Amino acid sequence: EDQVTQSPEALRLQEGESSSLNCSYTVSGLRGLFWYRQDPGKGPEFLFTLYSAGEEKEKERLKATLTKKESFLHITAPKPEDSATYLCAVRPFSGGYNKLIFGAGTRLAVHP
Amino acid sequence: EPEVTQTPSHQVTQMGQEVILRCVPISNHLYFYWYRQILGQKVEFLVSFYNNEISEKSEIFDDQFSVERPDGSNFTLKIRSTKLEDSAMYFCASIGQTLTEAFFGQGTRLTVV
Repeated sequence: EDQVTQSPEALRLQEGESSSLNCSYTVSGLRGLFWYRQDPGKGPEFLFTLYSAGEEKEKERLKATLTKKESFLHITAPKPEDSATYLCAVRPFSGGYNKLIFGAGTRLAVHP
Repeated sequence: EPEVTQTPSHQVTQMGQEVILRCVPISNHLYFYWYRQILGQKVEFLVSFYNNEISEKSEIFDDQFSVERPDGSNFTLKIRSTKLEDSAMYFCASIGQTLTEAFFGQGTRLTVV
């Protein structure tokens, strides 16, 4: 069964304290791994798509990396406005038409 | 920047009533989806829609649910007879031909009382 597990569930950082969020996955075949940011009461906001092991993508203070079993979202020198829930999702080969399977998310709180 | 638009943002309905949630996907996108998120839980896939028909649905998407693309811009989710457990955030999403990005709307919070 296709599955996505994110850790930690919650993370509290001081402003400027860099860290990483983990997304481990088990899928029949990977057709893309997606990272989203979700603010309370809002829809997921697209951040990155990664397709193959070794791939990396960056956006401001965020960098996403991918291996054959997991992905990391590295946050460098975070600011309070980076506080949100970060969601990881995979698009598996099983089934079709590009549905996404989500993890439960990591709630990030960055304090000044 | 193009965006997926959902209306209403919040809907309160009585158990047993029908509701229609509306979405305007990004204009040149081809694949359309509904997901839901019960408070405190994961985002769950409900249904995908391509070429004017359902292409895949989850076990959640039973006979009480239906989707429609009545014209070239709108995409709707209908729940025929709402139950308390249908209370959730419902998200519409769309993907373009390149399949590289999946964009979500801001959601409709459905509360069944």
